[in-house]
Amino acid sequence: AQTVTQSQPEMSVQEAETVTLSCTYDTSENNYYLFWYKQPPSRQMILVIRQEAYKQQNATENRFSVNFQKAAKSFSLKISDSQLGDTAMYFCAFAPTYNTDKLIFGTGTRLQVFP
Amino acid sequence: SAVISQKPSRDICQRGTSLTIQCQVDSQVTMMFWYRQQPGQSLTLIATANQGSEATYESGFVIDKFPISRPNLTFSTLTVSNMSPEDSSIYLCSVPTGLDGYTFGSGTRLTVV
Repeated sequence: AQTVTQSQPEMSVQEAETVTLSCTYDTSENNYYLFWYKQPPSRQMILVIRQEAYKQQNATENRFSVNFQKAAKSFSLKISDSQLGDTAMYFCAFAPTYNTDKLIFGTGTRLQVFP
Repeated sequence: SAVISQKPSRDICQRGTSLTIQCQVDSQVTMMFWYRQQPGQSLTLIATANQGSEATYESGFVIDKFPISRPNLTFSTLTVSNMSPEDSSIYLCSVPTGLDGYTFGSGTRLTVV
């Protein structure tokens, strides 16, 4: 069975600092897709970044970047220059097939950015 | 990317009653997913709704409790039937949307009293 594990229930970081959220997953697939979603108190799910497993280059979106280690089945999210608006729940998610399969979510990490 | 209108945004319901949640997508999509997010928890898939066929339910979820309709490629409903306080959760619909990954509705916060 495919699983996603987030071992950090809560994290905190000071504004302007950098924080890394961890995610590991388990699958026997060779090609798949990984995502980080942000859920602020408004409960809207917002895509932060995605990574295709067949791409060796780590994805980057402005202040957000990932460290994708396929052999280790690790997919961590780095947030640089943290902002107060980054305060939210962050979910790591896995999809075995893009656009035709369900997302499997980790348990989430609650990130608090303080001034 | 697609835009999803989900209604209602929240509701407080009496136990034993039913609530129907609607999701309207601004483009045609083959698959729609319905998730439940219990308080302080992650998202758990309830079922996958395909137009023109019966929904596929995940283990632990049954059609009698969570009937789903998918009359066309832009619309779906999820009904939470015979509600109990344990059904108090956020319910979200989601569709795959190309390069943007998966788009989610804004969620329905259900409280059963």
